[in-house]
Amino acid sequence: EAQVTQNPRYLITVTGKKLTVTCSQNMNHEYMSWYRQDPGLGLRQIYYSMNVEVTDKGDVPEGYKVSRKEKRNFPLILESPSPNQTSLYFCASSLSGENTEAFFGQGTRLTVV
Amino acid sequence: GESVGLHLPTLSVQEGDNSIINCAYSNSASDYFIWYKQESGKGPQFIIDIRSNMDKRQGQRVTVLLNKTVKHLSLQIAATQPGDSAVYFCAEKEWGNQFYFGTGTSLTVIP
Repeated sequence: EAQVTQNPRYLITVTGKKLTVTCSQNMNHEYMSWYRQDPGLGLRQIYYSMNVEVTDKGDVPEGYKVSRKEKRNFPLILESPSPNQTSLYFCASSLSGENTEAFFGQGTRLTVV
Repeated sequence: GESVGLHLPTLSVQEGDNSIINCAYSNSASDYFIWYKQESGKGPQFIIDIRSNMDKRQGQRVTVLLNKTVKHLSLQIAATQPGDSAVYFCAEKEWGNQFYFGTGTSLTVIP
């Protein structure tokens, strides 16, 4: 089954403790991206990757890192999480960076206390 | 940044009626538009897309209309069903650029 898989689905952590949210897709997509979803603000892009070893900042990259060492994986790293990073995070992938639909994962609800 | 907004944050319709969800966008260079449906606890799901060289596209029970003159996008759902209750997002994209999403419209279908 074609899908985008995020882990974990839920995470509660403390301020300053490094964490990684994993994202994997099995569709051989070139383009992958991370979004955060906050009430009243919709989906905002954090980082995206056009292909392996190519990453770019989205609208809200501060406090986040990503890497794209393999085509299928695109982990989101929070080196020192803060409470304002409490949010619902989605990973998405597309066939390419051109105009094609994005497939979304199920989301990761992160709470930073 | 881009501005993608929705005229109505909430919409309630009777089961069997048609629903219309509207979206305004601001980037005249956007050439690709998508509607997503998000059910509670799930990620957004693709419904239908349209490219800027078209003004109408139909799917199963859904139609998207694009008016580039006034930068307006709408999603029409025919014979709305309880399973259509969800939040609907429009998204716009300029070629080679990133997606920008609206804040969403919550559709409630009354049985």
